[in-house]
Amino acid sequence: DAGITQSPRYKITETGRQVTLMCHQTWSHSYMFWYRQDLGHGLRLIYYSAAADITDKGEVPDGYVVSRSKTENFPLTLESATRSQTSVYFCASSELGQGPSYEQYFGPGTRLTVT
Amino acid sequence: DQQVKQNSPSLSVQEGRISILNCDYTNSMFDYFLWYKKYPAEGPTFLISISSIKDKNEDGRFTVFLNKSAKHLSLHIVPSQPGDSAVYFCAARPSGTYKYIFGTGTRLKVLA
Repeated sequence: DAGITQSPRYKITETGRQVTLMCHQTWSHSYMFWYRQDLGHGLRLIYYSAAADITDKGEVPDGYVVSRSKTENFPLTLESATRSQTSVYFCASSELGQGPSYEQYFGPGTRLTVT
Repeated sequence: DQQVKQNSPSLSVQEGRISILNCDYTNSMFDYFLWYKKYPAEGPTFLISISSIKDKNEDGRFTVFLNKSAKHLSLHIVPSQPGDSAVYFCAARPSGTYKYIFGTGTRLKVLA
């Protein structure tokens, strides 16, 4: 399917477990992002990437790890999940040159519950 | 410290009337502002944007106004339709970067 996909869509895990959320885009966009959405906080940037092998921390990176070995994939790993990481996670991508505003295209989200 | 604020968590408007969603920011180094719409169980979708060198941008029923001196952004929807019921996020891009800072969102309900 063309576009940006996330898997799994729903995940329940236990405190202390490692969990990886997957993100895949078919546009070959250079830029990719991970956000979490929480009530009262809106969308907060966790990590972002300008290209393969280039990543940078956003507003709330603690407890998360990312990698970008291929342009189209940007997995997010929670090394040891905590209850405070219960959230809805969105992946997004964008490309320089598609208009001056560099709007981001979002995936459908992954709802993660940490028990 | 929240650099982009949407102080109204919710708004209800009658169908056919104008919806006005507001956004305030604190950083004068933002150079682009975007509005996104989000339906439940879906990712946000881009709605409209404005550059900091402009004060108005219009796209169909949607108009975004930027008041740089007040550090205030607003989205006008005219006329409002029931399908516009969603959560709206404003986002601002710090100059020289490719990331955006999002507000907390405003839930719009358009009543038929």
